Amino acid sequence: SDVLTQPPSVSVAPGKTARITCGGNNVGRNSVHWYQQKPGQAPLMAIYNDSDRPSGIPERLSGSKSGNTATLTISRVEAGDEADYYCQVWESDNDHYVFGAGTKVIVL
Amino acid sequence: EVQLVQSGAEVKKVGETLRISCKGSGYSFTNYWIGWVRQMPGKGLEWMGIIHPGDADTRYSPSFQGQVTFSVDKSISAAYLQWSSLKASDTAVYYCARRQGSRWSGGFYMDVWGKGTTVTVSS
Repeated sequence: SDVLTQPPSVSVAPGKTARITCGGNNVGRNSVHWYQQKPGQAPLMAIYNDSDRPSGIPERLSGSKSGNTATLTISRVEAGDEADYYCQVWESDNDHYVFGAGTKVIVL
Repeated sequence: EVQLVQSGAEVKKVGETLRISCKGSGYSFTNYWIGWVRQMPGKGLEWMGIIHPGDADTRYSPSFQGQVTFSVDKSISAAYLQWSSLKASDTAVYYCARRQGSRWSGGFYMDVWGKGTTVTVSS
């Protein structure tokens, strides 16, 4: 399976915008999904199919993709957004599920 | 409400056997694959594999093939993850999650997660 590359951490001040990238050769040809995991909690579906938002996820979270890089954007960051964020793809050619290593969002 | 309820924390010794459970409710359990994900202490998410509750069709990640076994009891809407001989390196939190999506439209992802089962293995 191909690797999904995420930055280990992103620091952002409250009210600003955080951008988390997810890169890899398989990103361009597969949809990217994002999960939010707060400390001590289970992961939560945040974005699916590159840019779709499940009900209950605030509009401040959005997803996009260009070429082999997907981006999760958190606008107007709040203290409650502090969490680990993981990208994931399903590789259709080998039926493998791949997670990125995760990005810790730190709210200053 | 769609839920996956996982069994409680386990403390075991190296070499012991273990089975943990994941019970679904609020949806048709046999219509959705259940995936298992490992998270070792302080680490990220690792895909272990998936099982279809309707016919027990199972797909293991190469990293976990031969190390664990998935099973289901659809009569009680339960999926299981089991070990025949635990290692200290099996210490982790294990999540079950419901697979959602389509191979023809966006691929697959996990839309509902259990709260996780913490497994601690000591020597």
